[in-house]
Amino acid sequence: EDKVVQSPLSLVVHEGDTVTLNCSYEVTNFRSLLWYKQEKKAPTFLFMLTSSGIEKKSGRLSSILDKKELSSILNITATQTGDSAIYLCAVDPGGGKLIFGQGTELSVKP
Amino acid sequence: DGGITQSPKYLFRKEGQNVTLSCEQNLNHDAMYWYRQDPGQGLRLIYYSQIVNDFQKGDIAEGYSVSREKKESFPLTVTSAQKNPTAFYLCASSVSLDQPQHFGDGTRLSIL
Repeated sequence: EDKVVQSPLSLVVHEGDTVTLNCSYEVTNFRSLLWYKQEKKAPTFLFMLTSSGIEKKSGRLSSILDKKELSSILNITATQTGDSAIYLCAVDPGGGKLIFGQGTELSVKP
Repeated sequence: DGGITQSPKYLFRKEGQNVTLSCEQNLNHDAMYWYRQDPGQGLRLIYYSQIVNDFQKGDIAEGYSVSREKKESFPLTVTSAQKNPTAFYLCASSVSLDQPQHFGDGTRLSIL
């Protein structure tokens, strides 16, 4: 059975800390891995990763895929309270049927 | 403003009742999707549609039905056969099946 596992499930940090969120997957077919941020309602798209070892970056957020280890990490540097959210990882095995992990709930304290 | 609009934001269902959740997009996307989100769980795919007049079952389609008569609209009906409908329902769309999906703000469904 295809599955995506995220760790940790929840995390509390202080402003200014750097955090690393993990996503591992076991799927029969792999097309891409996606990261989303969900604050209260709509998940918003962060990154789509298809190639191993190539870092994608947007401001203080970055992500990289390791196809050998079947995993990806999402890094957030110099965290702010506005980074508090659930971070979702999903794998696209092809055909648009995304497989989501449980999410990591990040809380950033002032 | 381009985006995905879901309505209503909150919905209550009585036992034995069918309810319909609306999803409209003006992004000119071909593909649309419905997900269910339960506390502590990731999103699970209910139905998806690659193109008008075509849709496919996702992983948890039992107790749900959809239609795709127009490109902009993909309504989801939660039927009385769905015994545990209380959840947060998210609609998404994408240019095509292999492009990133973008989400609406969701509808929270509860049982009266």
